[in-house]
Amino acid sequence: EDQVTQSPEALRLQEGESSSLNCSYTVSGLRGLFWYRQDPGKGPEFLFTLYSAGEEKEKERLKATLTKKESFLHITAPKPEDSATYLCAVSENTPLVFGKGTRLSVIA
Amino acid sequence: GAVVSQHPSRVICKSGTSVKIECRSLDFQATTMFWYRQFPKKSLMLMATSNEGSKATYEQGVEKDKFLINHASLTLSTLTVTSAHPEDSSFYICSAGVSNEKLFFGSGTQLSVL
Repeated sequence: EDQVTQSPEALRLQEGESSSLNCSYTVSGLRGLFWYRQDPGKGPEFLFTLYSAGEEKEKERLKATLTKKESFLHITAPKPEDSATYLCAVSENTPLVFGKGTRLSVIA
Repeated sequence: GAVVSQHPSRVICKSGTSVKIECRSLDFQATTMFWYRQFPKKSLMLMATSNEGSKATYEQGVEKDKFLINHASLTLSTLTVTSAHPEDSSFYICSAGVSNEKLFFGSGTQLSVL
């Protein structure tokens, strides 16, 4: 069973159409949940770290939230430059475990 | 912010040759670096944890004789794909940081084995 599950696998939005990406996890001793952005042919770029349920963090059009079982990455009024794959990862007592990502396409 | 430099960004080689990929932490000392492999439209799969001055810790199913890791200094780790074959073609990414919570990634290396 995957420890980190992201949905949807792919998401296509019109510019300005807000939506949310989901990351659910099954680790018991969560030390941190991480969101990264990855552009094609590039390494992941750090976005957020969340440590406890109820925590929220924002950066420009992105807001990440965390519950005891899942995290959401909300994207408000996205622009074409927000198109990328968004990766979620969790930290327990091991190196980061990544989900498969959500490929986001924002169409002008 | 901290920067991790990975080189080369792309390499094409013939089957049977060896390829070395370098990962450098430019403005901090990294006692631990991580090497990942990523297939198209798939997530990052941890291959090994590279520890400065000691042997790397490989994940289950990763051949340590195929993927040689050397972490000779606090700013440099190398991954050598020995006797590369077409099935080794993939995107390889390194990461380094002072902790899991502050981890930075290299820009990746696309390996194509003909």
